[in-house]
Amino acid sequence: NAGVMQNPRHLVRRRGQEARLRCSPMKGHSHVYWYRQLPEEGLKFMVYLQKENIIDESGMPKERFSAEFPKEGPSILRIQQVVRGDSAAYFCASSRFQETQYFGPGTRLLVL
Amino acid sequence: AQRVTQPEKLLSVFKGAPVELKCNYSYSGSPELFWYVQYSRQRLQLLLRHISRESIKGFTADLNKGETSFHLKKPFAQEEDSAMYYCALKMDSNYQLIWGAGTKLIIKP
Repeated sequence: NAGVMQNPRHLVRRRGQEARLRCSPMKGHSHVYWYRQLPEEGLKFMVYLQKENIIDESGMPKERFSAEFPKEGPSILRIQQVVRGDSAAYFCASSRFQETQYFGPGTRLLVL
Repeated sequence: AQRVTQPEKLLSVFKGAPVELKCNYSYSGSPELFWYVQYSRQRLQLLLRHISRESIKGFTADLNKGETSFHLKKPFAQEEDSAMYYCALKMDSNYQLIWGAGTKLIIKP
């Protein structure tokens, strides 16, 4: 089992561009969680998805951010029109049901 | 509001010395507490959870509901314990993890 995969590991975008972050859960896991970590801070919950459903997006900024977890393929966190404040590490975790969450290596987004 | 506090950003101890990483939480319900560890250039991984009452890599943590704490302890630190340690809270019947800001543990030779 390869574990949770995230790509890219590092992403550089200029202000106004779009960022797409991908997360492939562990085999057998159908629950995906996205977290954001700003420098010097702990992880902050963003969104919880199951296949084809957003269960809880209470941690997502209201604008520019969206997430999906299609029937086939990875979960995608999409940030439109990025700003410097979006620079952070974005972590994805997966679980079976709502059990222990296993984390990916993260995507470090840098907005210039 | 629910909160997890790790008061030490950085903790530096000598090899062989005891280690205690502090974690306090704020939650009135039935919490589930976790310690996650992130070694250099590796992903976050679960170290232990209070409901398991286990010892992993020599670390233990006891949930103290009276003091709302879940401190992580190890009697004799080893150099390979150097890492970032995060305390996390899961509220009953909920899936969200509330995270502390983390403590960087450095074990000096």
